[in-house]
Formats: sequence, structure tokens, C-alpha cells
Amino acid sequence: AQSVAQPEDQVNVAEGNPLTVKCTYSVSGNPYLFWYVQYPNRGLQFLLKYITGDNLVKGSYGFEAEFNKSQTSFHLKKPSALVSDSALYFCAVRAHNTDKLIFGTGTRLQVFP
Amino acid sequence: GAGVSQSPRYKVAKRGQDVALRCDPISGHVSLFWYQQALGQGPEFLTYFQNEAQLDKSGLPSDRFFAERPEGSVSTLKIQRTQQEDSAVYLCASSPAPDRYSNQPQHFGDGTRLSIL
Repeated sequence: AQSVAQPEDQVNVAEGNPLTVKCTYSVSGNPYLFWYVQYPNRGLQFLLKYITGDNLVKGSYGFEAEFNKSQTSFHLKKPSALVSDSALYFCAVRAHNTDKLIFGTGTRLQVFP
Repeated sequence: GAGVSQSPRYKVAKRGQDVALRCDPISGHVSLFWYQQALGQGPEFLTYFQNEAQLDKSGLPSDRFFAERPEGSVSTLKIQRTQQEDSAVYLCASSPAPDRYSNQPQHFGDGTRLSIL
């Protein structure tokens, strides 16, 4: 069965510091991996995806994520956090030949001025 | 606008009433998904349409839930005889992908927050 784990309910970081939001997954075969961000009372916005190729994926708003097959992880990173990055972040996985996108429970990122 | 549009944004209903939630996907998007997001949780898959065909409804929690997309564009999620556990945010997403196995990202609407009293 497919699953996604986001071990941290909340991550706090000071503005200007690097941030990491963790994600690990379990899926049969090669995964499609995604990160989405959700602002209050809004739907999810796509940030980036890993399909194949380079393990470091660059996405919107300066975010990037590193795919690590041996650790089954897909951590989201940003070199310098902004207060406006404060939001709820969801990692999601889908196995090939399935249509179900499985989401983690989300990590709330709080960036302090 | 060019995004996925959902209505109403908020819906309050009494237990036992029927509700209908509407989704207008991005024009031309073939694939349409419905998700249920409980408070403090990630979205959970409900059902998938490719044009007007409902190819996967395995995530619908009971036979009280019914979805349709008769002309391959607008979709409606209907919940009959609502119960308190149906309270959640219902998200619709669409994708230009021609099939459900694509790696194309899904574009989400802002959701309908359903509260059952």
C-alpha cells in the first residue's frame, strides 16, 4: 500500500534561514512525488514534482526538493525562508499505473521575522 | 478566472439533508478528481473522471456519495442523507492529462467547507 509520512506537525524557522520540511514515502515500484502548499481557506497549490532524472528538483517560489531513493525520502528545502512562506505543506505520492494521489497529513511552516 | 472554481464556498446543512457541491474545472482539462479533507488531515481521494466517464469511485465512503460529470466539464458531488462525519472540506482538482496515470500535477480549487449540524 502507498503511504506518506510527514513526521513534523510544525516547523519553525527565522526569516532568512534555510528551511527543510521532511517527507518519507512507501510505494511499490517507482514513485511520482509532489509537494503542494495550502494557504488558509484556499486549495492546494502545486510547488514541484519528481518523476525521474535528477534527484534535486527545483520548483516554484525558490523551493526545491531532494529525492533519496535509498531513504525513501523527498524533503522540501529552501535556502532562505520568507515570512510569506508560512503555510501548510503537503507531500504526496502516486505509484505508476494508479490514479490515487496519497497525501501526508501536512506540516505547518511558521517563518518568524 | 482561469482556475478551478468550486461553489458554494461554505455550506451548512442539517443532518439528514441532501447537499450538492459544484466544480468547474479549468477549461479543456480532461481529468477531474474529488478529494475530502478532514480537519487537520491531508486530502483523501474520492473519485476520478476522465471526461464524462467515472473511471474510479473507490474512495467514495458510502453509497450516500454520488458524483457526476455528464458533459465532461462541470462536475457535481452529491451527498444524500448527510451525517456529521461528512463535515469536511471537499476539494476538486483538474488536470490536462489525458489519462489518470499521467505525471501532470493537479490544479485544485479552493474547496467547499461542508458543516453538518
